[in-house]
Amino acid sequence: DVKVTQSSRYLVKRTGEKVFLECVQDMDHENMFWYRQDPGLGLRLIYFSYDVKMKEKGDIPEGYSVSREKKERFSLILESASTNQTSMYLCASSPAGFYGQYFGPGTRLTVL
Amino acid sequence: SQQGEEDPQALSIQEGENATMNCSYKTSINNLQWYRQNSGRGLVHLILIRSNEREKHSGRLRVTLDTSKKSSSLLITASRAADTASYFCASQGAQKLVFGQGTRLTINP
Repeated sequence: DVKVTQSSRYLVKRTGEKVFLECVQDMDHENMFWYRQDPGLGLRLIYFSYDVKMKEKGDIPEGYSVSREKKERFSLILESASTNQTSMYLCASSPAGFYGQYFGPGTRLTVL
Repeated sequence: SQQGEEDPQALSIQEGENATMNCSYKTSINNLQWYRQNSGRGLVHLILIRSNEREKHSGRLRVTLDTSKKSSSLLITASRAADTASYFCASQGAQKLVFGQGTRLTINP
């Protein structure tokens, strides 16, 4: 079975801190994605990547950056965390082409 | 917003009954997908229907797609308590998935 893991289930940070969210998949998938999920707003795409060292902006990239140095790992970085970045963050991966995505368990981030 | 819409937002039925959820999307698609999310967890991919398909089955799931109306429906037959979850449709165009707001399904024993 495909496994997508995220580094933390719950995370509490302070305003202005630099935050790293890590995602690792074990199925050699080309595509990886970062979403945030908020009540009433659904899932919104932050960034995605089709290959190592490649990245594309999603719908809400402001305040975030990403890194993909290895195929299996996709990191989301909050350069200077703000309270409006308190959310559930979901990582996903998929093979190249048009297929379903496999999601990690999510990281619930609280920024105080 | 590019997001699709789902209807109803919440649905509560008795165990053993069928549950139907509807989804509308806004742009032309390559495929449409349905996902389930248990409370506070990640999403699980349930089924994918391509734009040239009209109906697809997987176990107790039946999905229909009407590209002329830009709509899809998910039917869960003979519901079980374990089906209690949120269900999301996601339309895929050239690149990314666009998710609907979700339907919260509650199965009462």
